[in-house]
Amino acid sequence: KQEVTQIPAALSVPEGENLVLNCSFTDSAIYNLQWFRQDPGKGLTSLLLIQSSQREQTSGRLNASLDKSSGRSTLYIAASQPGDSATYLCAVISGGGGADGLTFGKGTHLIIQP
Amino acid sequence: DAGVIQSPRHEVTEMGQEVTLRCKPISGHNSLFWYRQTMMRGLELLIYFNNNVPIDDSGMPEDRFSAKMPNASFSTLKIQPSEPRDSAVYFCASSSQRGDTQYFGPGTRLTVL
Repeated sequence: KQEVTQIPAALSVPEGENLVLNCSFTDSAIYNLQWFRQDPGKGLTSLLLIQSSQREQTSGRLNASLDKSSGRSTLYIAASQPGDSATYLCAVISGGGGADGLTFGKGTHLIIQP
Repeated sequence: DAGVIQSPRHEVTEMGQEVTLRCKPISGHNSLFWYRQTMMRGLELLIYFNNNVPIDDSGMPEDRFSAKMPNASFSTLKIQPSEPRDSAVYFCASSSQRGDTQYFGPGTRLTVL
C-alpha cells in the first residue's frame, strides 16, 4: 500500500528566503505526483503536476522535482512571501490499472513571517 | 468555469440521521472523486467514478456510506445512519481524464453530534 510522507510537518521562515519542502513515497511505481496548496478552511489548489516520465516542473516561483527511483519529490519556493503561508500537500497516483485516486501526505504547514 | 461545486458547505446533524452531500463536477470532466479529511488521518480517497461508473470504492469505510453518480454533472455521497466519528470535511474533485490534474471543490464540513 502506497504511503506518502512529508517533512517537515511545519516550517516558519522569514520573508524572502528560499525554501524546500520534502515528500517521499514508498512505492516508486507512480503514474504522477501532484503538489497542492490548502489555505485554512478552504479546498485544495493544484500547484504543479509531474508525470512519472518527467524530472521537474516549474510555475513562477515554484519548482517541483521528482526522483521516482528513490521515491522522492521536492517543492522549491523562491523568494518566499507572506502570501505563501498555507499547508502544502504532496499526493501521488500509483501506477497500473487500478485506482486513480490520490494518496496524500499529511502536509507541511508553512508560515512566512513578514 | 465555476469550478467544482459542493453543497451544503456546512452540515450539523445528530447521530443516527441521514446525511446527503452533493457535488457538481467541472463540465466535461470524466472522473469524479470523493475524499474525506480529518486531523488524525489527513486526506483519504473514499470512492472514484469514471464516466459515471464507480471504479474503486475500497476507501468507503462502512456500509453506512454510499455514493451515486446518476449523470455526468451530479454526484451524491450519503451517510445513513451518521455517527460522531463521521465528522470531517468531505471534498469532491474532478479531472478531465485519468491522471490529469484534479480540481477540488470547497468541501462540506460535517459535524455529527
